[in-house]
Amino acid sequence: DQQVKQNSPSLSVQEGRISILNCDYTNSMFDYFLWYKKYPAEGPTFLISISSIKDKNEDGRFTVFLNKSAKHLSLHIVPSQPGDSAVYFCAASGKNTDKLIFGTGTRLQVFP
Amino acid sequence: DVKVTQSSRYLVKRTGEKVFLECVQDMDHENMFWYRQDPGLGLRLIYFSYDVKMKEKGDIPEGYSVSREKKERFSLILESASTNQTSMYLCASSSIRGPNSYEQYFGPGTRLTVT
Repeated sequence: DQQVKQNSPSLSVQEGRISILNCDYTNSMFDYFLWYKKYPAEGPTFLISISSIKDKNEDGRFTVFLNKSAKHLSLHIVPSQPGDSAVYFCAASGKNTDKLIFGTGTRLQVFP
Repeated sequence: DVKVTQSSRYLVKRTGEKVFLECVQDMDHENMFWYRQDPGLGLRLIYFSYDVKMKEKGDIPEGYSVSREKKERFSLILESASTNQTSMYLCASSSIRGPNSYEQYFGPGTRLTVT
């Protein structure tokens, strides 16, 4: 049973436009959400996170939105750049655990 | 900067061989993790260790074992490698302290091929 889902395996966006990556979860006990970025042949790197007590967190070109009632979060990248082309994983964690549950990933391609 | 290193970037082994994957972190983190990444399946947790000599099974522990004799080092062992264990293996670590304790730091990965 997949508790964290990324239903779009891939996304293609033109440079300069907005990229929106989506993530859904089923466990209402999750209290912290993270986005990781992964280039081929490299390990994932942390991008941005959000606590369940917030509905938005922004860091430069990256903004994460959390809709707890819909159990949905999204990552907005604006403007998108070719260097953003990578696989993006969302992850969630609950109270009293140090483990993360990852989604299946979305491959973003930003073309000129 | 946190650094997590893995002993090999690429590894080719034969079916039935015993395989050791080593991971070392230099930030005195309490937690260490082993994942495998497969297309369409994301990152799946194999084993987790929260202290020296302590371990906890993840979602897919079958066919694997782990060892943590020192805080900085976490080893993944494939007792008898099989072709369905061909995958990208990722090690990660995290601290139990501080505001960013959820954040895990990953190594570069080991691409294991079992023939």
